[in-house]
Amino acid sequence: AQKVTQAQTEISVVEKEDVTLDCVYETRDTTYYLFWYKQPPSGELVFLIRRNSFDEQNEISGRYSWNFQKSTSSFNFTITASQVVDSAVYFCALSEYGGSYIPTFGRGTSLIVHP
Amino acid sequence: NAGVTQTPKFQVLKTGQSMTLQCAQDMNHNSMYWYRQDPGMGLRLIYYSASEGTTDKGEVPNGYNVSRLNKREFSLRLESAAPSQTSVYFCAIIPWDTEAFFGQGTRLTVV
Repeated sequence: AQKVTQAQTEISVVEKEDVTLDCVYETRDTTYYLFWYKQPPSGELVFLIRRNSFDEQNEISGRYSWNFQKSTSSFNFTITASQVVDSAVYFCALSEYGGSYIPTFGRGTSLIVHP
Repeated sequence: NAGVTQTPKFQVLKTGQSMTLQCAQDMNHNSMYWYRQDPGMGLRLIYYSASEGTTDKGEVPNGYNVSRLNKREFSLRLESAAPSQTSVYFCAIIPWDTEAFFGQGTRLTVV
């Protein structure tokens, strides 16, 4: 069975600090996708990134970067020089290929960035 | 292109009342999902529909029913609302290999 664990329920930082949100997953499938979503205080869910199981290259998008390591089943998300606008709940998710398709979400990490 | 449209955005019900949450998509996707979001619990799947004419229970189906009216529409019904159903509800289409598309959410309060 697939599982996503976000052990950090809440992280509080001061603006300009770097912060890493952890995501650990479990799956028996060799083909799968991992995702990160952001939910700002306004409540909508915003897609950030998708990574397939065959591509372990790290990705950087502005102040955001993602570190995918199959050896540790982790897909961690780092925000560099955090800003108040980064305050949100962040969800990691996993989808497996084939079979009865039910994507699994982690419980989310609430990031609070103080000015 | 609206993506996923979910109504209403807010609703207050009295215990025992019924209501239907509507969801429609214009992305021609087969699978549709209903989630509820509670503080600290993440997104929990209530029901999903893999294709038109089929529905299946998710993690927390008790107290809910669904209808996949056609490929576009997937509704969620609360027959007799309870305070434990106070939550934020999201409808979504979630292709396995691309990003998910969520509705704006329905904030439901049952008093």
